[in-house]
Amino acid sequence: GNSVTQMEGPVTLSEEAFLTINCTYTATGYPSLFWYVQYPGEGLQLLLKATKADDKGSNKGFEATYRKETTSFHLEKGSVQVSDSAVYFCALSDPTNAGKSTFGDGTTLTVKP
Amino acid sequence: KAGVTQTPRYLIKTRGQQVTLSCSPISGHRSVSWYQQTPGQGLQFLFEYFSETQRNKGNFPGRFSGRQFSNSRSEMNVSTLELGDSALYLCASSLEGPASTDTQYFGPGTRLTVL
Repeated sequence: GNSVTQMEGPVTLSEEAFLTINCTYTATGYPSLFWYVQYPGEGLQLLLKATKADDKGSNKGFEATYRKETTSFHLEKGSVQVSDSAVYFCALSDPTNAGKSTFGDGTTLTVKP
Repeated sequence: KAGVTQTPRYLIKTRGQQVTLSCSPISGHRSVSWYQQTPGQGLQFLFEYFSETQRNKGNFPGRFSGRQFSNSRSEMNVSTLELGDSALYLCASSLEGPASTDTQYFGPGTRLTVL
């Protein structure tokens, strides 16, 4: 079956530091890949997505590139802010498995001023 | 336009009881998915409904069930509650479903506590 493996957390960084959260996946088909963010007490919000190999998703300074050869979709940001503190989830949707998404376990990011 | 809404936001039940949670998707969205989120298991897929039909189901016991109405609103029901059912239940809606390239939009969740 499909699976998503995320870098274990928690991750603690100082403001303006560089962020990388690793994500690798296993899928039988050609999945779309997503990063979601969850702030305390809220549901998940889409951060960015990529639907085919070599696509780069970007939003709010975050980027991730769909790497089929390494089955990875690592999240990066050049300079984090305190407001980026949240839980980040990597996820995939597989068109061969209609109606089902697979999520990673989530990585908690804390940014200190 | 209005986002995904879930009611109630918080619920406390005792073991053996049953509970019904409600989800109203974004207008025009036909797909509704349900997830259970717990600290130990992360985000687990429960089921997905599209145009009133269940299209896919996760690995949960039959105590967990759901349905979708003609206006795309969805309910999930958990019968004979167990302590381990305590979790945040998230609903997500999309136009065509999570298997497509559609974006899923999540509601704020219903926090269920079983005592």
